[in-house]
This record gives sequence, C-alpha cells and structure tokens, in this order.
Amino acid sequence: DVVMTQSPLSLPVTLGQPASISCRSSQSLVYSDGNTYLNWFQQRPGQSPRRLIYKVSNRDSGVPDRFSGSGSGTDFTLKISRVEAEDVGVYYCMQATHWPWTFGQGTKVEIK
Amino acid sequence: EVQLVESGGGLMQPGGSLRLSCTASGFTVSSNYMSWVRQAPGKGLEWVSVFYAGGSTYYADSVKGRFTISRDNSKNTLYLQMNSLRADDTALYYCTRYCSGPSCHRSDAFDIWGQGTMVTVSS
Repeated sequence: DVVMTQSPLSLPVTLGQPASISCRSSQSLVYSDGNTYLNWFQQRPGQSPRRLIYKVSNRDSGVPDRFSGSGSGTDFTLKISRVEAEDVGVYYCMQATHWPWTFGQGTKVEIK
Repeated sequence: EVQLVESGGGLMQPGGSLRLSCTASGFTVSSNYMSWVRQAPGKGLEWVSVFYAGGSTYYADSVKGRFTISRDNSKNTLYLQMNSLRADDTALYYCTRYCSGPSCHRSDAFDIWGQGTMVTVSS
C-alpha cells in the first residue's frame, strides 16, 4: 500500500499568519491518465471530514481561496495564506491513484 | 441536496454483530462506488470497504472475513454487516462516496461524507 506521510503532525499558528502542511507519498501519484489524484481534507472538531482540494490544486465548491494546494510526483503541500479561527482542526492528505486509496496520519492545526 | 445519513451504531460485546445503514439522497447509490471509512477515537481515517458500481466488493485486511458490504438499490441504501466484532473495531463509521460513475471518476474521490455512526465494542 502507498504510505502517505504528513509533517508536521501538530501545527500551532497565529491568527492571520500563513500555515503550510507537507505530504509525501511512498510512490509517485501520477495516474495512467496523466492526472495526479492527491486530495486534502479538513476535519473540524466534532465534524465529519470535508474535502478541500482534489487533484493536487483544485478547490472544492465553497472552499475559501486562502486554501491552496501544490506539488507533484511524491511531494505535496497544503497552504493556508492567513489562518482564521474556523481553520482549527485536523488536515489529511489522501491519494486516489493506487488501490487501496490511503490517508496520511493527519496534521492538527491549532491557534497559538 | 446531496446527503448521506448513517444509522445502526451502538454498544456491542466482543464477538457480537451489528449492521450499519447509509441512506443517500440527491444521488443514486447504485450508479456510484460507495465506501465505509472509520475513525477510532482520537485517531486518523481508515478505509474499511468499498462497493463498486458494477457490484464488486473489497475490504481492508483488518476486516476481511468479518465484515460484509452490501446495498439495496430500491432503498438507495448501503450497508455494512459487522460480525465477530473486536475492541479495535471501536470507531466512528462514515459512509462516503468512493468515486462516481460506472468507471470511477477519481476526481470525485471521497467528495461526499455522512455524519458518521459510532460503534463501541466493549464487555
């Protein structure tokens, strides 16, 4: 199975400051159709996961533009340009290129 | 509105059985690949099982031989029959859309989630 490794696992941030989460996969996530199926999810406290980003850098409907995704091959990054209080929670990367699809361990974002 | 609503969770003793249900609205379960994902208390997300649009089913090694995924097209509902429950099956179980369409559009991977139903296995 493809192993997804996130860092850091805990990220204290100051309101209004940027934040960045790294995700590395044990294999390239480029699929045979040329696309890279790397997604990011947000899970606020007490809520279900919500998909934020699909195919590395595409924001889902309703996702604020302060969230952005980038990367290629095996290295990916989720950035929050200016952290707001509602961004507190756990963020997961997930790959949908290789079966079975797998998640990272999660990165907990909290306010300093 | 697209929605998934799970039910059926509860407290069970080790070795017991439970059936989870997931009813969809706003889209057709049988036209999509549907999945169960679980989250143990304070832990991350773990894929459990998937029901392909064409009818094939697959399981994580941790539940293979104990859990069975199924669907009822007339009720637009996905199920997870859980047998021989163990303490490490304790988790919040989410129903999700694995991907869409007959050929699995990966761009839709895990785009829809239910609110989850809690399963606790304890004596």
